[in-house]
Amino acid sequence: NAGVTQTPKFRVLKTGQSMTLLCAQDMNHEYMYWYRQDPGMGLRLIHYSVGEGTTAKGEVPDGYNVSRLKKQNFLLGLESAAPSQTSVYFCASSYSRVVWSTEAFFGQGTRLTVV
Amino acid sequence: QQQVKQSPQSLIVQKGGIPIINCAYENTAFDYFPWYQQFPGKGPALLIAIRPDVSEKKEGRFTISFNKSAKQFSLHIMDSQPGDSATYFCAASRGGSSNTGKLIFGQGTTLQVKP
Repeated sequence: NAGVTQTPKFRVLKTGQSMTLLCAQDMNHEYMYWYRQDPGMGLRLIHYSVGEGTTAKGEVPDGYNVSRLKKQNFLLGLESAAPSQTSVYFCASSYSRVVWSTEAFFGQGTRLTVV
Repeated sequence: QQQVKQSPQSLIVQKGGIPIINCAYENTAFDYFPWYQQFPGKGPALLIAIRPDVSEKKEGRFTISFNKSAKQFSLHIMDSQPGDSATYFCAASRGGSSNTGKLIFGQGTTLQVKP
């Protein structure tokens, strides 16, 4: 059981380049999330999805786009990378049928450097 | 605006000590307060969680204390071990009919337990 898998694990981009980060989960979870982790900032929500075909903005959505064409996949796109997007990106998923408990399962992360 | 504030940023204790990490939140609509543990190069993983109708929850050596009136909660690690060295994040989310599983994280605390 793989859980949440992110690809790639590392990437270096030049300013202005584009790329897509892929997240796949095999737990049949409804909800999926993209967070970025920066020193001293904790994890901040970029975009999230509560089901196939739906997406919504989080705390820091500018410069990113997402798509959820299949329930098991959640893609994060950077159209024109900027140095401020240098970060570690985490995908997470959760099965939110229980009213108050929403345990999120995280992937291993993608370390992105924009030069 | 940081909705969940965490302190200290870093903490060093001797083996057997009891590190305490504190968090404060602003939004009274939050009703689920988890703690996540993250080892270097890994994604965060759920450690323990509490709901606001209880003042304390214990799971093994980990205890959450919750003060609803002060809007504060803390993590205590009893008999800390070198293997507990990690980064700890508190978080908060809203449940009920508006539950989307979105987690608002604190800034993180890096804990080092010396042998």
